[in-house]
Amino acid sequence: QVQLVESGGGVVQPGGSLRLPCAASGFTFSTYGMNWVRQAPGKGLEWVAFIRYDGSNKYYADSVKGRFTISRDNSKNTLYLQMNSLRAEDTAVYYCAKGGYCSGVTCYFTAFDIWGQGTMVTVSS
Amino acid sequence: EIVLTQSPGTLSLSPGERTTLSCRASQSVSSSLAWYQQKPGQAPRLLIFGASSRATDIPDRFSGSGSGTDFTLTISRLEPEDFAVYYCQQYGSSPLTFGGGTKVEIK
Repeated sequence: QVQLVESGGGVVQPGGSLRLPCAASGFTFSTYGMNWVRQAPGKGLEWVAFIRYDGSNKYYADSVKGRFTISRDNSKNTLYLQMNSLRAEDTAVYYCAKGGYCSGVTCYFTAFDIWGQGTMVTVSS
Repeated sequence: EIVLTQSPGTLSLSPGERTTLSCRASQSVSSSLAWYQQKPGQAPRLLIFGASSRATDIPDRFSGSGSGTDFTLTISRLEPEDFAVYYCQQYGSSPLTFGGGTKVEIK
């Protein structure tokens, strides 16, 4: 079935790094845009980053720009989020979500129709 | 950045009641608006995209309307499984943004 499975979460010290993988199955991963969304404990949803189906275009929220990098390996059907210089305010459940497509050189954002179950990242000393 | 304001923050209702949730955008998003449902400990689930199109397997008691800056999600008859938090999201432009959520709780 169509599925996204995140992993890699855990406890990390401020200033540290973490990489989150998201494994996709049940759909043609290489033809869709993908996103990361996070949710701090007891708070709402915050979009983090988007990557084009072929990895050639990326967009980031201002709150993570320059610290986080979204990437993908279509041969492994896997999305990644590399998180560096982590701060306490990055503590959240991180979800990967399918959304976005491209027609020729133009990419369009779409609603997120498939979500993973999330992985918890805690930044604390 | 487009700010989405949801109202009210909390609704206390009984099963069988009809309810309308509001989402207002700080600038036009055309019809690039989605609604999600989230239950405790679960990932969000897409309900509505394109302001008014139901996602796959979403019951027809859920309906969305609006365009531009004002949007509503209507649940015609609340079922016990509908008590949850609802978020709107605009995907018309980067950065994509979510509203703060409306909690629908059992009265």
